[in-house]
Amino acid sequence: NAGVTQTPKFQVLKTGQSMTLQCAQDMNHNSMYWYRQDPGMGLRLIYYSASEGTTDKGEVPNGYNVSRLNKREFSLRLESAAPSQTSVYFCASSELGGGSSYNSPLHFGNGTRLTVT
Amino acid sequence: AQSVSQHNHHVILSEAASLELGCNYSYGGTVNLFWYVQYPGQHLQLLLKYFSGDPLVKGIKGFEAEFIKSKFSFNLRKPSVQWSDTAEYFCAVNARQAGTALIFGKGTTLSVSS
Repeated sequence: NAGVTQTPKFQVLKTGQSMTLQCAQDMNHNSMYWYRQDPGMGLRLIYYSASEGTTDKGEVPNGYNVSRLNKREFSLRLESAAPSQTSVYFCASSELGGGSSYNSPLHFGNGTRLTVT
Repeated sequence: AQSVSQHNHHVILSEAASLELGCNYSYGGTVNLFWYVQYPGQHLQLLLKYFSGDPLVKGIKGFEAEFIKSKFSFNLRKPSVQWSDTAEYFCAVNARQAGTALIFGKGTTLSVSS
């Protein structure tokens, strides 16, 4: 049982380049999330998808777009990377979303370390 | 919108010392509360959670947390830390309403010396 799988694990981009971070979960979870982790800032929510077919902005959505491709997959796209987007990105999923979110601890992927030069 | 404050940025303890990490949240409604741990080089793992009922919750590895509603607090405790508890600890909260997501505090780094 793989859980939450993120690819790639590491990536270096030049300013202005674009890329997509992939995330897939095999736990049949309804909700999926993208967080970024920066030193001294904790985890900040970028976007989330409470259920298939819906996406919502989190705390720091600017510069990112997301796609909930199907129930399993939730991708994060940087259209024009900036040095401020250098971070570790975590995808997570939870069993229940929307009004039932109270029963759902998050399951995290192993992270993608992105450097933008 | 809810927010989470963790008061200690870095805590340094010797093995066998007692631990208490502070966490306060701001939100007027009903919340779910969590503590996550991130060991060096690893992703976040759930330590414990509070949804309702007994405000003193026990988690894995001897950790516990107490929800004090009047203080909007959910402090994490462990009576005797071990070197292997060296990690970063995150408090998190989500409002118990439709369409909300988990919001994390900035984290507390715990360093335990043997």
